[in-house]
Amino acid sequence: EIVLTQSPGTLSLSPGERATLSCRASQSITNIYLAWYQQKPGQAPRLLIYGTSTRATGIPDRFSGSGSGTDFTLTISRLEPEDSAVYSCQQYGSSPWTFGQGTKVEIK
Amino acid sequence: EVQLVESGGGLVQPGGSLRLSCAVSGFTFSSYWMHWVRKAPGKGLVWVSRINSDGTSTSYADSVKGRFTMSRDNAKNTLHLQMSSLRDEDTAVYYCARHAQQLIPLDYWGQGTQVTVSS
Repeated sequence: EIVLTQSPGTLSLSPGERATLSCRASQSITNIYLAWYQQKPGQAPRLLIYGTSTRATGIPDRFSGSGSGTDFTLTISRLEPEDSAVYSCQQYGSSPWTFGQGTKVEIK
Repeated sequence: EVQLVESGGGLVQPGGSLRLSCAVSGFTFSSYWMHWVRKAPGKGLVWVSRINSDGTSTSYADSVKGRFTMSRDNAKNTLHLQMSSLRDEDTAVYYCARHAQQLIPLDYWGQGTQVTVSS
């Protein structure tokens, strides 16, 4: 199975700053099938990005995804207080689907 | 409005069984593949199982294969996860989620139901 490793574990930034989250796969991901989810405490995960770089419906354009092969990035261009959450990457090109362990973004 | 509502979680002893349900509304349930994903305390999300739109094909994570059975009732817009031979490591919040299409993975999720396996 494909193992996804996210870094850093925790990111602590101020509002307006740029957040860069990394997701590295143990092998190349098929057909750009890489997604990102946001999860706040007590809430369900929310799909942010699919197909590596396409924003899901209703997702603000400050969220962007990029990458290929084994290295992928989620960028939040200008952090807002409501962006405080855990962000997880997921590959869905190979069975079984796998998720990264998550990056916690804290807003100072 | 798309809604997914899980139920059936609770406290169960190791070796016991539990049946989770997911009631859906707001979309044509019979057209979509569905998944179960779980999250244990302090751990990341873990894919558990999926079922195709007509219920004729299922797939499971190795960690639950042979112990969990996923099914669906398209007439009642309901998804099920029958869990048996439960272990401590099955303790988690279990989410049902809709698989939108090939390129779009899990676009709608339920709020989750807590399963605790403990003696």
